[in-house]
Formats: sequence, C-alpha cells, structure tokens
Amino acid sequence: EVQLVQSGAEVKKPGESLSISCKGSGYSFTSYWISWLRQMPGKGLEWMGKIDPSDSYINYSPSFQGHVTISADKSISTAYLQWSSLKASDTAIYYCARHPGPESFDPWGQGTLVTVSS
Amino acid sequence: QSALTQPASVSGSPGQSITISCTGTSSDVGSYNLVSWYQQHPGKAPKVMIYEGSKRPSGVSNRFSGSKSGNTASLTISGLQAEDEADYYCCSYAGSSTWVFGGGTKLTVL
Repeated sequence: EVQLVQSGAEVKKPGESLSISCKGSGYSFTSYWISWLRQMPGKGLEWMGKIDPSDSYINYSPSFQGHVTISADKSISTAYLQWSSLKASDTAIYYCARHPGPESFDPWGQGTLVTVSS
Repeated sequence: QSALTQPASVSGSPGQSITISCTGTSSDVGSYNLVSWYQQHPGKAPKVMIYEGSKRPSGVSNRFSGSKSGNTASLTISGLQAEDEADYYCCSYAGSSTWVFGGGTKLTVL
C-alpha cells in the first residue's frame, strides 16, 4: 500500500525554527515528486512547492518562495518542510502529497498541524 | 498565480445531481488538460476524485464526472448521497511545475 506518513503536531513560539517530515512507503520514493500544501484554519488548499526526490530539484510557489525550505533524504524516503523563523500566520495544517504525474496529488499524508503562538 | 474561482457552496437533495464550476485563466485551466478535483471530509486529508479533467481513479464512484470548456472546469455528482457532503477543491497545473487550487466549495446534501 502506498502511504505517506507525516510527523506529529507541533506547538511553537514566533521566531522559532521547525522541520516537519513526510515518509513514503510502498513505492519507489525517487520515482515520484512530493508536494507540500497548506490549509490555514477554515480555509482552502494552497500549493507550496514540490521536490523531485531523485535529484532534489525544487519548485516553489511564488507565494512561499523564501519563507519555507523543502528538502528530501532519499536514503530514508523522507521529505521535509522547514521554517527558520515561524510567524503566527504559519499556523495551519500542512499536507504532503505524492504526484503520480503532473495530473494529480495522490495519495496525501494525514497532515501535520502546526500551531504558532506566544 | 491567482486562485481558481469556485462557488463557496452548493446544495442538493439525495438523488439529485449537482455541478461545481472552477474558473481559471488561459494560463492554467485553459492551457492544460490537467484539472483534478479533491474531496475533503472534515478533519480528513483530501482525496482525488477526478484527474486529467475527466478520469476517475480506481475505486471512485462513477457518480463523479468531470469536464472542461475553455477556462472553466466542472465536477458533476449525480445521484447525490449523504456521504458526498464534503468540501470539494479543483486544482490545475499552471506550467513550469506549479499548480493552483480553487478556494473550495462546500457541498451540503439536504
């Protein structure tokens, strides 16, 4: 079974750093892109960026470029989303999702809730 | 990149059909046959229901269908069932390995 399992919920203070993870299993991790998506409380889905785990080539949405860093460690089939200095406005659920191709995101991880509050 | 435009809400009675529209531009929906639709129940991760505009993944009911005309894509759900009540999001490839989502539509089954 193809699965993406994300790390657990996080509570952080503004200015702190954070890395959340997404581990793929049941398929060849380097054969499919992984995207990260944000869902702010009560809001819709936003595409943040994608990584090709085979060569770590990354594309960012202009809305998120410079605010987050996407990376991957193919040796452990895991992708990461990182912040160097969190803001309260980063409070959201973050999903990772696999690309079977450019045509869709499937499957999705279970989501990681990030809460940033002083 | 601007978000695709979806109606905020739609509703229908069990057994009826509903259609959700998704309007983009000639740079995304109009340029590529790469619109996908996602169903999200409260507290759950999204699930793909339609990809490449009109294709259904294995396991998705044939009550779900998709189409596109110009810069507007549509998702139609026929024979509405209570379990269809959820949020629905469209997404389009926008070129250069980027994607854009719609704002989401809340479907209420009356």
